[in-house]
Amino acid sequence: EAGVTQFPSHSVIEKGQTVTLRCDPISGHDNLYWYRRVMGKEIKFLLHFVKESKQDESGMPNNRFLAERTGGTYSTLKVQPAELEDSGVYFCASSPQRSNEQFFGPGTRLTVL
Amino acid sequence: RKEVEQDPGPFNVPEGATVAFNCTYSNSASQSFFWYRQDCRKEPKLLMSVYSSGNEDGRFTAQLNRASQYISLLIRDSKLSDSATYLCVVKEPSGYALNFGKGTSLLVTP
Repeated sequence: EAGVTQFPSHSVIEKGQTVTLRCDPISGHDNLYWYRRVMGKEIKFLLHFVKESKQDESGMPNNRFLAERTGGTYSTLKVQPAELEDSGVYFCASSPQRSNEQFFGPGTRLTVL
Repeated sequence: RKEVEQDPGPFNVPEGATVAFNCTYSNSASQSFFWYRQDCRKEPKLLMSVYSSGNEDGRFTAQLNRASQYISLLIRDSKLSDSATYLCVVKEPSGYALNFGKGTSLLVTP
């Protein structure tokens, strides 16, 4: 069975540009999460979808970040406009209903210059 | 105050050694605890859940002390392949968000 996939694996953009990250969860997983690790810090929670609904977006840093999960399948995370401090690794994870185990994707490494 | 604190290490141990990692968490209402393993530039992967009574999975033993809000991971008979970063993780009591420690780096040498 395929794991969580993320695209792109790397992205280098300039400050002020827009970037869209994509996550495809494991098939059948209703729960989808976004996390971020900035350099030198711990992995931090951004938000949680249950199917297409945002269940918890308490970790979103500001309104430059927009996450969507249309149709309850894949999800996108858009950063517009990107700032230098947005650089880091963005992980997506998914889990089945009522499960504690979250399966992580390989991450997207975002560099904002 | 950070939600989850870990000693960052690095821990350099020879093959066959026993090594222990510790972490503390700040929210006394937390109910679910985990150790994840992360290899260099890879995604975190669940190593084991941590149960109140303590639990063992092969060479790995996890312990939880709720009174002290303290979690530990013991690795016996270390293998070269155990070299990785070990992340202490605590689930938010009110939802599904995971709170991660910064990780403890382990290097097992021949």
